[in-house]
Amino acid sequence: GAVVSQHPSRVICKSGTSVKIECRSLDFQATTMFWYRQFPKKSLMLMATSNEGSKATYEQGVEKDKFLINHASLTLSTLTVTSAHPEDSSFYICSARGTGVQPQHFGDGTRLSIL
Amino acid sequence: GENVEQHPSTLSVQEGDSAVIKCTYSDSASNYFPWYKQELGKRPQLIIDIRSNVGEKKDQRIAVTLNKTAKHFSLHITETQPEDSAVYFCAGDQTGANNLFFGTGTRLTVIP
Repeated sequence: GAVVSQHPSRVICKSGTSVKIECRSLDFQATTMFWYRQFPKKSLMLMATSNEGSKATYEQGVEKDKFLINHASLTLSTLTVTSAHPEDSSFYICSARGTGVQPQHFGDGTRLSIL
Repeated sequence: GENVEQHPSTLSVQEGDSAVIKCTYSDSASNYFPWYKQELGKRPQLIIDIRSNVGEKKDQRIAVTLNKTAKHFSLHITETQPEDSAVYFCAGDQTGANNLFFGTGTRLTVIP
C-alpha cells in the first residue's frame, strides 16, 4: 500500500521551456502533498506544501511564480517549472500523506536537466 | 520552523558491526520522527518512525530511540549488511503543519 507515482522520471530540455511534473497517489487519498528539491549529495529541501483544493504554501525563498503547484484532486498534484533555466536543474521529489499524522510516502523523483 | 541536525555525515562500518546515527531537533512541540533510507537516484523509503509518546521502537535489526527532554533521537542498525549501505535521513515534523524537515543525511557504507 501507499504507493506514490511520479512522472516523468527524467526530463532534458532547452532553457526557457516549461516543464510539468505529476505526482499521483495510487492507492490512497492524499490530503496533503509535498514537493522537495534535492541537490547532489544533499538533503531534501521542502519547496511547498499543497492541500487538495487550496493554494500551495511555499517555503521561504521559493518563487511561487516560478514553481507552480496545483493539487486539483485527492490523488494528483502537479509541479510546473516555468521558463526553466540551467540553475533549475535538480532532482525533484514529491511525497504524499493521507489524513492525520501519517508517514509521507515518496515518489521516485524527477531528474530535470536544463540545457 | 523546525531545524534538524544530523551526525555523522559519513559512517563506515565492518559488516556485522552496529551503526548509530544521531539527530537533534529544535522544536520541542514536534512529535513525529521518521527515518528514511535513500539509495542512489532512488526515492527515500521509510524504514522506521517514532512518535513522541514512546521512547524506543524496534523492528528487527533497526531501532530508534527518542529523548524528548534532550530533543534528540537516534537510529541503531545492528548486524549491518552490505545492502544497508545508503544515505539515511532523519526528519522531524513541524507541529501544526505536519511538514517534515530533514536532516543533512548520513552516508553509511558497510564494508564486506
